[in-house]
Amino acid sequence: GEDVEQSLFLSVREGDSSVINCTYTDSSSTYLYWYKQEPGAGLQLLTYIFSNMDMKQDQRLTVLLNKKDKHLSLRIADTQTGDSAIYFCAEITPGAGSYQLTFGKGTKLSVIP
Amino acid sequence: ETGVTQSPTHLIKTRGQQVTLRCSSQSGHNTVSWYQQALGQGPQFIFQYYREEENGRGNFPPRFSGLQFPNYSSELNVNALELDDSALYLCASSPAHNEQFFGPGTRLTVL
Repeated sequence: GEDVEQSLFLSVREGDSSVINCTYTDSSSTYLYWYKQEPGAGLQLLTYIFSNMDMKQDQRLTVLLNKKDKHLSLRIADTQTGDSAIYFCAEITPGAGSYQLTFGKGTKLSVIP
Repeated sequence: ETGVTQSPTHLIKTRGQQVTLRCSSQSGHNTVSWYQQALGQGPQFIFQYYREEENGRGNFPPRFSGLQFPNYSSELNVNALELDDSALYLCASSPAHNEQFFGPGTRLTVL
């Protein structure tokens, strides 16, 4: 079955780059996503990548996909205190007519001023 | 453009009761999905509705049911509440299969 794994915690200094890693198991995944969740809030879609791409850049965010190793990463350049949140990796797989997201448990990013 | 909205924000119920949560999808989005997020966990897929029909379901018992209305808004109903149903319930609407936009969630506490 599908499974998405992430490390639980990451701590970085303000201004440094953050790299959040994720592995997934379902090779039929078509899209892979990064969501951000601030305390007490819903999920904010940050970016996503189609499975036939290796890299996607969007301002301070860079997503790298290694499909062979089923490894996804999110790099945040010039990390700010406002980036402190939980980041979820998710994959979408078509199944029986629906497109359901399968999430990891989330990586809590703490930014030290 | 109004995003996805959910009501109520918070809810407290007791074991055995029934609850209805509501979601208004973003304008132009015809697909709604519901997720349950327990404390410290990632969201778990409950079910998805497309044009008023359920078109996919996760590993949740039948006491979790839903509806989608002609204006694409949606309800999640949970019967016979259990303590483990305490969670943040998230609704997501989609214009297409590859993008799901989430609402702020409803925090349900079952005592």
